[in-house]
Amino acid sequence: DQQVKQNSPSLSVQEGRISILNCDYTNSMFDYFLWYKKYPAEGPTFLISISSIKDKNEDGRFTVFLNKSAKHLSLHIVPSQPGDSAVYFCAASARSGGSNYKLTFGKGTLLTVNP
Amino acid sequence: NAGVTQTPKFQVLKTGQSMTLQCAQDMNHEYMSWYRQDPGMGLRLIHYSVGAGITDQGEVPNGYNVSRSTTEDFPLRLLSAAPSQTSVYFCASSYSNRDNSPLHFGNGTRLTVT
Repeated sequence: DQQVKQNSPSLSVQEGRISILNCDYTNSMFDYFLWYKKYPAEGPTFLISISSIKDKNEDGRFTVFLNKSAKHLSLHIVPSQPGDSAVYFCAASARSGGSNYKLTFGKGTLLTVNP
Repeated sequence: NAGVTQTPKFQVLKTGQSMTLQCAQDMNHEYMSWYRQDPGMGLRLIHYSVGAGITDQGEVPNGYNVSRSTTEDFPLRLLSAAPSQTSVYFCASSYSNRDNSPLHFGNGTRLTVT
């Protein structure tokens, strides 16, 4: 069963507008969430994260919102730029077997920002 | 600053052949891992290591072996390649998996098994 779901395989937005990427999770043990960005022919790179004790984290044009009761998080990009066009992976972390954390990835959302 | 280096970038194998995908990191990271990325499947963990001499299975370990003899290197071995192992493989490392330090990924190895 898929514990981290990104239900939109793709999203297309106009340059300058807001991009909202969504992620839902089912495991209530997840307590840390991360977003990774991936360009073609490159590995994913870390973008932004949020702890479950917060509901918002902001870094420049990128903001992640967490709604624990709904088990939902979203990544907002404002304003969107053509260079933001990439696949975005949502990931969730939970303690597994003592002091180690286990990371679970969603399937990714392809964002296309049109000039 | 090289980060995580994977070789080769591309590989074509015939069914039944074996090969080793190389991964090296120069950040003195304790934690290293291998993922495969398949269309519509996201990133799935194959094997991981929390330090030299320690390895463990991830979500999809069958058909793969790993070893961690040094902090820097974490090779992934395909014992007898199958078409189902056609995928893009990513090696990733982090300072530790006892906190939530982000993963640093290599640029991947695209493997085709015919």
